[in-house]
Amino acid sequence: GENVEQHPSTLSVQEGDSAVIKCTYSDSASNYFPWYKQELGKRPQLIIDIRSNVGEKKDQRIAVTLNKTAKHFSLHITETQPEDSAVYFCAASTGGGNKLTFGTGTQLKVEL
Amino acid sequence: GAGVSQSPSNKVTEKGKDVELRCDPISGHTALYWYRQSLGQGLEFLIYFQGNSAPDKSGLPSDRFSAERTGGSVSTLTIQRTQQEDSAVYLCASSFAGTGGYEQYFGPGTRLTVT
Repeated sequence: GENVEQHPSTLSVQEGDSAVIKCTYSDSASNYFPWYKQELGKRPQLIIDIRSNVGEKKDQRIAVTLNKTAKHFSLHITETQPEDSAVYFCAASTGGGNKLTFGTGTQLKVEL
Repeated sequence: GAGVSQSPSNKVTEKGKDVELRCDPISGHTALYWYRQSLGQGLEFLIYFQGNSAPDKSGLPSDRFSAERTGGSVSTLTIQRTQQEDSAVYLCASSFAGTGGYEQYFGPGTRLTVT
């Protein structure tokens, strides 16, 4: 089955800096890659997703890139703010069943 | 509109007891998923329902775990003879279904503690 690895497990940046989180996946049939943000004690919420027919997608300060050949995808957050502090999860699915295989999460801390 | 709801929000049970966790998906969503999140860990897929199709049970960790979805809406996850390692937050999600992937909307979770 699918295996998703996520790095780093923790990331600390200064406010205003950029943050990058990277994930790799094992199943070349995976075609949907969402990123979820989970604040402490809250439910995961989708922040951005990308499908395999697209190499990059942006939404304001957030962008995701996908390299199908290398089977990896990355989350980029620019101009980080304290409210970006949370745990971020990448995931992959093969579309048909849509069940998600999640990475182990990255604890992002944005320091003032 | 209303999001995914789950009940109870917290459940404390003694080892060996059975528990039932409930999920109400977003109206109109045909796909429903159960995940488990242990403390400080990622989300582990348990089971997936899509319409009237047979559920994908490939993530259930043992035969003590089962789930059903009645009328294509509400779902119940049952854990029999609970063990301490079952302690986790159980998250339900729902989505539209189809190829290509759709956003899964998560419920608030049920925090299960087995003593």
